[in-house]
Amino acid sequence: DAKTTQPTSMDCAEGRAANLPCNHSTISGNEYVYWYRQIHSQGPQYIIHGLKNNETNEMASLIITEDRKSSTLILPHATLRDTAVYYCIVRLNAGGTSYGKLTFGQGTILTVHP
Amino acid sequence: KAGVTQTPRYLIKTRGQQVTLSCSPISGHRSVSWYQQTPGQGLQFLFEYFSETQRNKGNFPGRFSGRQFSNSRSEMNVSTLELGDSALYLCASETGPNTGELFFGEGSRLTVL
Repeated sequence: DAKTTQPTSMDCAEGRAANLPCNHSTISGNEYVYWYRQIHSQGPQYIIHGLKNNETNEMASLIITEDRKSSTLILPHATLRDTAVYYCIVRLNAGGTSYGKLTFGQGTILTVHP
Repeated sequence: KAGVTQTPRYLIKTRGQQVTLSCSPISGHRSVSWYQQTPGQGLQFLFEYFSETQRNKGNFPGRFSGRQFSNSRSEMNVSTLELGDSALYLCASETGPNTGELFFGEGSRLTVL
């Protein structure tokens, strides 16, 4: 799985958009970008994933650059409950042999302020 | 729909003992994975089971083992506990075959004294 680089921490004001960057310059053509978050003392929570097109769901949007070397997770209207560690992960899905394995880095600690 | 259920939530053991942790996946999910989380090493993959077969394994010693039953429920066992085994053990079930969309339980927090 390709390595990812994320900022250690970020701050965001409540109600504003939180934009979390991730660098994955060694991503291969069939690897997907996944985002998870972990709120203190809870298990990680799946947010979104994508291959090359931008994706949106009820939680967030994922913007992947055209060269796929970086991506941005966007929480459109951050709330205090979005304070968490956010993990960007790159891996193969169907067709690969990563069965169940996600390689978590250190992630970005997002703090949402009132 | 019930989420991933792990038991026990908290337990304390002493060095040399063994421990068994249990995980019930989301109904219909057949893949179950286990992770260890420590402050020093972060989240690390232990192993994954599907249809009672281990398909993937992380870099952990043989003291760490697991199994899956026909109803997809899974257990993991750690024998001859060491102080360094103190951690949050997380179980996850997956929506489909190798989709990468894992649903995690709340974890079992093990303290080894």
